[in-house]
Amino acid sequence: QQPVQSPQAVILREGEDAVINCSSSKALYSVHWYRQKHGEAPVFLMILLKGGEQKGHEKISASFNEKKQQSSLYLTASQLSYSGTYFCGTEDSGGYQKVTFGIGTKLQVIP
Amino acid sequence: SAVISQKPSRDICQRGTSLTIQCQVDSQVTMMFWYRQQPGQSLTLIATANQGSEATYESGFVIDKFPISRPNLTFSTLTVSNMSPEDSSIYLCSVPGPGYTFGSGTRLTVV
Repeated sequence: QQPVQSPQAVILREGEDAVINCSSSKALYSVHWYRQKHGEAPVFLMILLKGGEQKGHEKISASFNEKKQQSSLYLTASQLSYSGTYFCGTEDSGGYQKVTFGIGTKLQVIP
Repeated sequence: SAVISQKPSRDICQRGTSLTIQCQVDSQVTMMFWYRQQPGQSLTLIATANQGSEATYESGFVIDKFPISRPNLTFSTLTVSNMSPEDSSIYLCSVPGPGYTFGSGTRLTVV
């Protein structure tokens, strides 16, 4: 079942923050986050396993609320390079199983 | 993370013909995934290819239309058979672990 992602699109000015949400009605083993730039393949950002641990590097981080089956991606002090479409992907079980992707959030950062 | 070489990068094909897409991985992987992405849309899983066994297809995708080969742990092909304009899309292979790595994609146009 496809996870629900929101918002579908967001426009930011450089330096502003954004949050992208991802939720599922099913129990999840993990949540992935990817960024895809136009004409390119998706690029892995991070994975969050059951446990609610927040992960990330510097200005991009994410959390996973296992009880609510929700994850959020936090983009802080956005840069022009953050522009692209962000996808969350969910795994129902471990062991490198298939990932089901949300519809994506198109993020545009403007000067 | 793994490096994937995907070929061809793009093709324009006549309806009724078939196209075979190849993915070569620089390391051995047990599972490979084939996704389809229509312009501006999310990624939809076509099938999971395990070495040494038949591919597992998702709902809406059948082996006669999308036959997959997995002759060894570093290589897989996806064939799009008897193509129609509705098959125009981007096709991507992916390997797990822990973040999923994608091939560069094959942009297929059927005329």
